[in-house]
Amino acid sequence: EAGVAQSPRYKIIEKRQSVAFWCNPISGHATLYWYQQILGQGPKLLIQFQNNGVVDDSQLPKDRFSAERLKGVDSTLKIQPAKLEDSAVYLCASSLAGSFSYEQYFGPGTRLTVT
Amino acid sequence: RKEVEQDPGPFNVPEGATVAFNCTYSNSASQSFFWYRQDCRKEPKLLMSVYSSGNEDGRFTAQLNRASQYISLLIRDSKLSDSATYLCVADNNAGNMLTFGGGTRLMVKP
Repeated sequence: EAGVAQSPRYKIIEKRQSVAFWCNPISGHATLYWYQQILGQGPKLLIQFQNNGVVDDSQLPKDRFSAERLKGVDSTLKIQPAKLEDSAVYLCASSLAGSFSYEQYFGPGTRLTVT
Repeated sequence: RKEVEQDPGPFNVPEGATVAFNCTYSNSASQSFFWYRQDCRKEPKLLMSVYSSGNEDGRFTAQLNRASQYISLLIRDSKLSDSATYLCVADNNAGNMLTFGGGTRLMVKP
C-alpha cells in the first residue's frame, strides 16, 4: 500500500516569497492533517480536514498560511509571504477517520528553509 | 507551561540496558495517549497507544498515571536500532487534536 506522498521534499526560498506544498494521502483516508515541526520540537498541528471540510485550524497563522483540500483527496498548504521563523519541516498525515482509534500515517515531509 | 512536556535528553545507554522515559501532560481531561518514534530526518511513526491499564509490546511497556498526569515508556534490552527520538502525544479531549511533546532522544551504544 502506498504511503502518504508529499512534494517537494526540500525548498529554499527568500523571506517574503511564496511557497506551496502538496500532499496526497493514503487512498481511502478521509482525514488529513498538516503539521509544522521546527528543529528540536515536536510536530504542531496547523490544520485538520475531514474529507474536504476543515475540522480545526485554530493554530494556523491565517494571515500568511492557507490550505485547501479540494475534492477531499489531495491537499495544498501555502505560505505567503514567508518569514524566517517559517523554516521547518511541514508534515502531512492521514488517517481513516478523525477518531484517535485510527492511526495517523505521516508523509516524509517538506523541509523548508527561509533565508 | 507546555501542554506535553518531555526531557529532551539525550539518553545515552549501552546495548542491553533498560531505559525509561516520562512525559507529563497539563490537560487533565485528555483521554488518548500515544508514543511515536521518529528517526533522524524521518517522519514520526506510531510506536504504541497508551491504555489506562498499561500495555506491553515486546520489549516496550507503556504506563499511564492519571493522578499525576504522566505517561511512561520503558524499553528493555535496548538495541542499537532503538536509537531515535520518542515523542509523547496526548489529545485535547475535544477529540480533534493531538499535542506532541518535544521528544526525548535516545542513543544506544555498542
